[in-house]
Amino acid sequence: QKEVEQNSGPLSVPEGAIASLNCTYSDRGSQSFFWYRQYSGKSPELIMSIYSNGDKEDGRFTAQLNKASQYVSLLIRDSQPSDSATYLCAVNRGDRGSTLGRLYFGRGTQLTVWP
Amino acid sequence: DGGITQSPKYLFRKEGQNVTLSCEQNLNHDAMYWYRQDPGQGLRLIYYSQIVNDFQKGDIAEGYSVSREKKESFPLTVTSAQKNPTAFYLCASWALHGYTFGSGTRLTVV
Repeated sequence: QKEVEQNSGPLSVPEGAIASLNCTYSDRGSQSFFWYRQYSGKSPELIMSIYSNGDKEDGRFTAQLNKASQYVSLLIRDSQPSDSATYLCAVNRGDRGSTLGRLYFGRGTQLTVWP
Repeated sequence: DGGITQSPKYLFRKEGQNVTLSCEQNLNHDAMYWYRQDPGQGLRLIYYSQIVNDFQKGDIAEGYSVSREKKESFPLTVTSAQKNPTAFYLCASWALHGYTFGSGTRLTVV
């Protein structure tokens, strides 16, 4: 069983719509969860981190975490063509701020926002 | 500006040749990582180091070697034993909230 799985996509939404990206993980001991955005040919950049159950909002982005269901999601409101990228979900077994261990990544979901 | 510098940006390797990818950081981070990214495969961990003079194998360490003699530097050598090295290589360090990545090195076998 893969550590981290994401809906395979690709996902295509019109400009202004809500894009919903989903991720599940296998290790119940996971404590820290991250969403990265990767433009084609570039390195990933961190857009959200979440550690507690519930929602965390940052501008147009909302991360949602449900540890009981082992599920984390990212919502992008008012999607823009500049949001077109691959979104990577990553999970760590360490607590917030822990530098131990490593991140486990999903394969990513490719999002296209068309004008 | 603080960050991670990877060089070169593009690298071409001949059959049977060893090549070294550079990774330097000025963020004062202890933990550093090397990942390989292939199309459709996501990021796979090659090696990581949590402190100077110590490093651990990741999921796909065969055919690779690393060193960590200085906190700032974590070079990756792709040896001739790595039969399919063509990929995008990413170096990262651990920040308070997740990784900071370098800009990557794209390695191609010619």
